[in-house]
Amino acid sequence: DAKTTQPNSMESNEEEPVHLPCNHSTISGTDYIHWYRQLPSQGPEYVIHGLTSNVNNRMASLAIAEDRKSSTLILHRATLRDAAVYYCILRRDGTASKLTFGTGTRLQVTL
Amino acid sequence: GAVVSQHPSRVICKSGTSVKIECRSLDFQATTMFWYRQFPKQSLMLMATSNEGSKATYEQGVEKDKFLINHASLTLSTLTVTSAHPEDSSFYICSARASTGMGLNTEAFFGQGTRLTVV
Repeated sequence: DAKTTQPNSMESNEEEPVHLPCNHSTISGTDYIHWYRQLPSQGPEYVIHGLTSNVNNRMASLAIAEDRKSSTLILHRATLRDAAVYYCILRRDGTASKLTFGTGTRLQVTL
Repeated sequence: GAVVSQHPSRVICKSGTSVKIECRSLDFQATTMFWYRQFPKQSLMLMATSNEGSKATYEQGVEKDKFLINHASLTLSTLTVTSAHPEDSSFYICSARASTGMGLNTEAFFGQGTRLTVV
């Protein structure tokens, strides 16, 4: 599987935007970029995914670099409930749809 | 969104006993379910892929005789930790994907997790 690299942790103030980076320099043309987050003591939840174009949904935005070797998850206004570990995952063709989790980024949100 | 229910959410058992964890897809059919294990401060590690009506596929290093997986229907998969020991204490999480629309761009749905403590 193609590997992703994320910072171990980030901090944000409440009500401020947060940009969570992810490097995936070995991404292949058919890899989708998925983001999941895991709140404390819970299972992961889907945030957003994309292939080439930037994507927006009610939770976040995903900005994908033109060469697709990096992407950024954008939370427009962080709240205390957004404190979680955010995982950037590539889904490669032929892997029976399984998700392989890296170490993710632990986001702390403070007042 | 689709819901995956996992039960129990928390269980304490004695060393040497077996524990069964259930994972149900409540509003969709799941041909494939996945079981993960997560130790404190660590990421999720895939244990096995559970396919309805066939044997599960285990990841390297996971003992299939210790972690028994049964996927008897399109909405239920179970993980049984047999002869549990304290080192099996962990957070177990299941995941399911819908049987239709199983392309690479579809999201996965996760259960809320089961915290197993073996004493």
